[in-house]
Amino acid sequence: DAGVIQSPRHEVTEMGQEVTLRCKPISGHNSLFWYRQTMMRGLELLIYFNNNVPIDDSGMPEDRFSAKMPNASFSTLKIQPSEPRDSAVYFCASRGPNNQPQHFGDGTRLSIL
Amino acid sequence: GEDVEQSLFLSVREGDSSVINCTYTDSSSTYLYWYKQEPGAGLQLLTYIFSNMDMKQDQRLTVLLNKKDKHLSLRIADTQTGDSAIYFCAETTTSGTYKYIFGTGTRLKVLA
Repeated sequence: DAGVIQSPRHEVTEMGQEVTLRCKPISGHNSLFWYRQTMMRGLELLIYFNNNVPIDDSGMPEDRFSAKMPNASFSTLKIQPSEPRDSAVYFCASRGPNNQPQHFGDGTRLSIL
Repeated sequence: GEDVEQSLFLSVREGDSSVINCTYTDSSSTYLYWYKQEPGAGLQLLTYIFSNMDMKQDQRLTVLLNKKDKHLSLRIADTQTGDSAIYFCAETTTSGTYKYIFGTGTRLKVLA
């Protein structure tokens, strides 16, 4: 079975540029999560979708961050404009119904210069 | 508020047992999870336990839950060098079962 697929695996870009991270959840999963991981703050939940609808975006740092889930098999996390402090590993996770555990992708390592 | 704490480091010899500990504060915890993160990879679900259970065993892994003390442990029997990784404990609570509260992670180093 294919797990959660994220792309790109690595992204290096200059500050001010737009960054788009992509995620394909596991087929049949109806919840999707975006996390950010840094040494200083650990794992932070950014946003949670259920059945393609954003339910909790209280973790989104600021208006420069936006996330969409146009259908059950695809989500994007966009940062515009990017700043050096956005450098982190961004994870996408998905889970099935009835409180099944979350399954994580391998992450996108983002470096903003 | 909700908090999950883990020690930062653990070092064991190959073949020994490892015990990774976790404490949590929210008594309304429903599920508790153990994830493993290897370098450059995402979090891999190892096992999880429902809060009305005391123990769960899965091959080399044993999870013990002490609800009174709000203490969760993960025992890895016959630890191998491939077990070297960061181990995260996480909980969900009745206030939001989608929201995982993660510990800081315990870095396990297995010495050959």
